[in-house]
Amino acid sequence: DAGITQSPRHKVTETGTPVTLRCHQTENHRYMYWYRQDPGHGLRLIHYSYGVKDTDKGEVSDGYSVSRSKTEDFLLTLESATSSQTSVYFCAISEGQGSYSPLHFGNGTRLTVT
Amino acid sequence: QKEVEQDPGPLSVPEGAIVSLNCTYSNSAFQYFMWYRQYSRKGPELLMYTYSSGNKEDGRFTAQVDKSSKYISLFIRDSQPSDSATYLCAMSAQGGSEKLVFGKGTKLTVNP
Repeated sequence: DAGITQSPRHKVTETGTPVTLRCHQTENHRYMYWYRQDPGHGLRLIHYSYGVKDTDKGEVSDGYSVSRSKTEDFLLTLESATSSQTSVYFCAISEGQGSYSPLHFGNGTRLTVT
Repeated sequence: QKEVEQDPGPLSVPEGAIVSLNCTYSNSAFQYFMWYRQYSRKGPELLMYTYSSGNKEDGRFTAQVDKSSKYISLFIRDSQPSDSATYLCAMSAQGGSEKLVFGKGTKLTVNP
């Protein structure tokens, strides 16, 4: 699994509560990404990071924030969870950016917002 | 028109069959093409990567890119039950991974 650990693996939460998902890597890769995967939509990029404290928005960033205070950790926060954020969340890492570097994914966090 | 179109299937074949998985795309600037395999309850893993046009072969897997038709294919020869998974195509116009556009995936089942 390319040294990527996502936690928790499963979570059920109520609408309006804050939720933080964690991605931890042991590869010392510079780039980290958060995706969500939904039936009928495929994988969509939420946020990504290109270094400590350097982050940027992806395609579906509304309602999400991220933080990266250490190379190995990338946190995704849902400030006030909504039912539309029920999804499977994947963290990914890549070594480089200039020439193509493939993404390596974690095994996901299954989030249910009731 | 969506940037990347992929038939979701499901596709069911007998063991040993040749499988053809396909994606079409609309952005003529795409030049990096990938196939990911995703087992149930797991993250996607990179299977094949092709830059620009042509074929690439890796064991039982062959990736083809036809830029004139905006069409990419993944062929699996002598398919095995262990090939049962969802296959995602992905592509980008430039090397940045944040620019990757994924297809929705085709679910394949290979029956013993």
